[in-house]
Amino acid sequence: QLVLTQSPSASASLGASVKLTCTLSSGHSRYAIAWLQQQPEKGPRFLMKLNNDGSHNRGDGIPDRFSGSSSGAERYLTISSLQSEDEADYYCQAWGTGILWVFGGGTKLTVL
Amino acid sequence: EVQLLESGGGLVQPGGSLRLSCAASGFTFSDYAMSWVRQAPGKGLEWVAAISGSGGVTYYADSVKGRFTISRDNSKNTLYLQMNSLGAEDMAVYYCAKQRGIEPTNAGGYWYFDLWGRGTLVTVSS
Repeated sequence: QLVLTQSPSASASLGASVKLTCTLSSGHSRYAIAWLQQQPEKGPRFLMKLNNDGSHNRGDGIPDRFSGSSSGAERYLTISSLQSEDEADYYCQAWGTGILWVFGGGTKLTVL
Repeated sequence: EVQLLESGGGLVQPGGSLRLSCAASGFTFSDYAMSWVRQAPGKGLEWVAAISGSGGVTYYADSVKGRFTISRDNSKNTLYLQMNSLGAEDMAVYYCAKQRGIEPTNAGGYWYFDLWGRGTLVTVSS
């Protein structure tokens, strides 16, 4: 069964970089994922689709401070030059036969 | 402006019904599959239901199958979610989401949701 695992929390300083991780369950290491950002009291926003080879396409208006990469079953979201508005929950999403759409539990990012 | 705007949420008693709407603008609505996704208070995201661009194909999460019905009116650029037999477990903010592709599948790799609304809150309480 397709399961996405994320660390519950992360933190980094203003202006620094942070790397968030989404881990695909066993047998699903070639799956693509999508990264979503949810700022407080707002709906989610699509950041990018990230393929297993690390290629990714950002959503409209998403700055290149947001980038993605992959290694095995791990999918990463790197945010550089952290800004205060980057403080948000970040979710990964994937699609699997039968289960259809599934989300990770989310990572709450605190900008110090 | 490209946007999705949900409405219809509110307070409903256990066992009651509610119909949510999602008005789409700024894109050709019928060219895209749509979904409803919910988020219980303080919790993560849960996919609820999906519908193809034509409206002819629908899918549901097991947790709502038989109780919820997703539909769309492409002439009105509006997505709906009819919710019956509501319980405490259904209390959440409900978001509508636009899929990148026209079919609610992985066809062409276009399974992901590239536009989301602001959500509407459904409260189930007596």
